[in-house]
Amino acid sequence: KQEVTQIPAALSVPEGENLVLNCSFTDSAIYNLQWFRQDPGKGLTSLLLIQSSQREQTSGRLNASLDKSSGRSTLYIAASQPGDSATYLCAVTGTGNTNAGKSTFGDGTTLTVKP
Amino acid sequence: GAVVSQHPSWVICKSGTSVKIECRSLDFQATTMFWYRQFPKQSLMLMATSNEGSKATYEQGVEKDKFLINHASLTLSTLTVTSAHPEDSSFYICSAGRGLLGNTIYFGEGSWLTVV
Repeated sequence: KQEVTQIPAALSVPEGENLVLNCSFTDSAIYNLQWFRQDPGKGLTSLLLIQSSQREQTSGRLNASLDKSSGRSTLYIAASQPGDSATYLCAVTGTGNTNAGKSTFGDGTTLTVKP
Repeated sequence: GAVVSQHPSWVICKSGTSVKIECRSLDFQATTMFWYRQFPKQSLMLMATSNEGSKATYEQGVEKDKFLINHASLTLSTLTVTSAHPEDSSFYICSAGRGLLGNTIYFGEGSWLTVV
């Protein structure tokens, strides 16, 4: 059974700092990995999606990497801003007959960027 | 733009009533959709797999008679929370699979349910 772990559970940094969020998964048979942002009381916003054949994806100040063989992904946020404060979720989507399309989420990292 | 639409985004209902949440794929046909829920300070957990034209497959521990799933068309799946109680208050989100194998997954925006 796929398990996704996110470290740290919470992170507080001063504005302007670069930071890294970590995600690990136990089953490397994934179709893709996705990073989401969730604000309190709001829905999910997809940030970056990495296909299993890819190593990284970039969007603005965000860069996500994927090492499928070791079961790890990182989300790098450059020059953090108070508006980046949110919970960041990592999710892997399975493949194969049993798990195709099913996503397993981590518990999230709650980020606070202080002005 | 969004390729999977979920409605409503927010809903408040009285205890004992039923509430329906819709999940629509906007520009593709999805034979399979998935429903997840998130309890406070917990991760999103798969509830069930919705299959067009057949019965949904529920994950262990999810009451199929309480969480009715209907996937009557290739673009619409609905989740009905029957006889809702305050403990059903949660964030519910759906995803739909696109492509030949349905592996390209798109998530809806999610729905916040509060039962009072």
